[in-house]
Amino acid sequence: NAGVTQTPKFRILKIGQSMTLQCTQDMNHNYMYWYRQDPGMGLKLIYYSVGAGITDKGEVPNGYNVSRSTTEDFPLRLELAAPSQTSVYFCASSYPAGGHLNEQFFGPGTRLTVL
Amino acid sequence: AQTVTQSQPEMSVQEAETVTLSCTYDTSENNYYLFWYKQPPSRQMILVIRQEAYKQQNATENRFSVNFQKAAKSFSLKISDSQLGDTAMYFCAFMKDGTASKLTFGTGTRLQVTL
Repeated sequence: NAGVTQTPKFRILKIGQSMTLQCTQDMNHNYMYWYRQDPGMGLKLIYYSVGAGITDKGEVPNGYNVSRSTTEDFPLRLELAAPSQTSVYFCASSYPAGGHLNEQFFGPGTRLTVL
Repeated sequence: AQTVTQSQPEMSVQEAETVTLSCTYDTSENNYYLFWYKQPPSRQMILVIRQEAYKQQNATENRFSVNFQKAAKSFSLKISDSQLGDTAMYFCAFMKDGTASKLTFGTGTRLQVTL
């Protein structure tokens, strides 16, 4: 299993550009998440999904959109990039409780800089 | 909303010594989970240890153990026999039961293990 994979690893955007951060998991997890980590800070939840076709906002959703058409993929879309979106973005996945402790498995992160 | 506080931005410990990282949280919930994640310079988020709130016994994973004080809402991490490879950011995280396994993170403690 590759686990959670993210592409690209690094990206520089100009203000106003758009891009999609890709996330794929091969563990058949129902739940998927997008977090951002600003310098010297913890991770903050942007959006999450509990299954294909179902998404919901997290703590900091403004400026982002997501979709979940398959169990495996959970892309994050940035429209009209702003310098405040400069951050490291992490995708994660987990499965519902049912004897398990809801551990989240994280991807390696995407470092995004908006200039 | 839940909050997680890590009051030690940086700590240092000598190799083979023991260090304790502090974490407090604020919640009105009774059923929840607590986690410590390690983030080395590679940026990968690695689960170190987890604790279910309904369990009185403190979790232990090899050299890592926790001191969970539910009434005080405290969840500290003890690292015994510190190794150079323990150098990393450590994040405390809270998960409310039944909320799609969403995590709320603290701001982290940077641990440096020295010779």
